Amino acid sequence: QVQLVESGGGVVQPGRSLRLSCAASGFIFSTYAMHWVRQAPGKGLEWVALISFDGSKKYYADSVKGRFTISRDSSQNTLYLQMNSLRAEDTAVYYCARDSEQWLERGAFDIWGQGTMVTVSS
Amino acid sequence: SYVLTQPPSVSVAPGKTARITCGGNNIGSKSVHWYQQKPGQAPVLVIYYDSDRPSGIPERFSGSNSGNTATLTISRVEDGDEADYYCQVWDSSSDHYVFGTGTKVTVL
Repeated sequence: QVQLVESGGGVVQPGRSLRLSCAASGFIFSTYAMHWVRQAPGKGLEWVALISFDGSKKYYADSVKGRFTISRDSSQNTLYLQMNSLRAEDTAVYYCARDSEQWLERGAFDIWGQGTMVTVSS
Repeated sequence: SYVLTQPPSVSVAPGKTARITCGGNNIGSKSVHWYQQKPGQAPVLVIYYDSDRPSGIPERFSGSNSGNTATLTISRVEDGDEADYYCQVWDSSSDHYVFGTGTKVTVL
């Protein structure tokens, strides 16, 4: 079945780095744009980043631009989020999600992972 | 930056109709998607492109979008519909996705 599984979350000190992974299965990963979305404890959803199906286009929320990098390895069916210079306000559950549009981006998010928790604290 | 405003909460009796609004400047010119999120779970897409339903979503869920307001309507509300609901758009002027502030639906 179509599935996304995130990993890599944990507790990290402010200013340090962390890399999240999202393993995709059950669909042709290389034909879909992918997204990262986060949710701080008790708060709403915040879009973080988007990568096109072929990795040629990347977009970031202003709050993470210059610190976070989205990437993908279609040979491994895996999406990544490299998070540098982490701050307390980056503490959240991070979800990966699939774009609903094959070959395109800017659609809805039709498949979501279960999320991985990132806590930034000294 | 583009802002989407939702009412913090909506209460509805079982069997009645819940309407959740999502306000944004000229939102009628954008495509609106809606998500349902239950406690401790990942969001689920319930309406996309204003009014389309993904497979597996009951017909009780419907959407509309015009002018400055998009609306998610849940007909014949059931206990299982109790959740947080978020609207979402792609803002082409900033190349950003934007989520609404979220609405907690309580079934009385």
